[in-house]
Amino acid sequence: GPKVLQIPSHQIIDMGQMVTLNCDPVSNHLYFYWYKQILGQQMEFLVNFYNGKVMEKSKLFKDQFSVERPDGSYFTLKIQPTALEDSAVYFCASSLGGGRYAEQFFGPGTRLTVL
Amino acid sequence: QQQVRQSPQSLTVWEGETAILNCSYENSAFDYFPWYQQFPGEGPALLIAIRSVSDKKEDGRFTIFFNKREKKLSLHITDSQPGDSATYFCAALSNSGGSNYKLTFGKGTLLTVTP
Repeated sequence: GPKVLQIPSHQIIDMGQMVTLNCDPVSNHLYFYWYKQILGQQMEFLVNFYNGKVMEKSKLFKDQFSVERPDGSYFTLKIQPTALEDSAVYFCASSLGGGRYAEQFFGPGTRLTVL
Repeated sequence: QQQVRQSPQSLTVWEGETAILNCSYENSAFDYFPWYQQFPGEGPALLIAIRSVSDKKEDGRFTIFFNKREKKLSLHITDSQPGDSATYFCAALSNSGGSNYKLTFGKGTLLTVTP
């Protein structure tokens, strides 16, 4: 089936540094999402993005977070500066449509460790 | 506060048996419940989903049973195969708050099917 790729699979950085997580969504998809999963916890919605704009974000999407997809390239999640509590696995997803029942296709995740 | 709860945390069945994975929720506004299957190293993939107007949804060996009054649902996997060994996530979507996208996930059930 359609594949979402995430780069890198693991990232270790020092607290206070900037990190960019990259997502290569399914090629014809128009809606993009980030989810965060802290170890042992459930996956939680962060943000969704369409037509160059954030459509909806959760309270987990702090001011230090930003998303963009410049010129149809990678869909990125940038955290600047990072904090210890940002350590988690971040899942990217994409969907063709934005309706309630649009299937979201997930990538394998990027494990971020903030030291 | 965990809005979607799954049990058991892990489950082992013999090949050919029926595996039963449970999910419960608190938010009465949840009306769409997709189940995702995740293999190690991959992202979650949509397996089967049910809308709250139905009490049963079947797709091959996978069946969702839904009890709206008790706010419970279960995923039954009949004739379990070793290839079904994966983590299964129950998710929910609310019909209030205007969100089409914000899936709420449970923590998952790790299923192991022993040959």
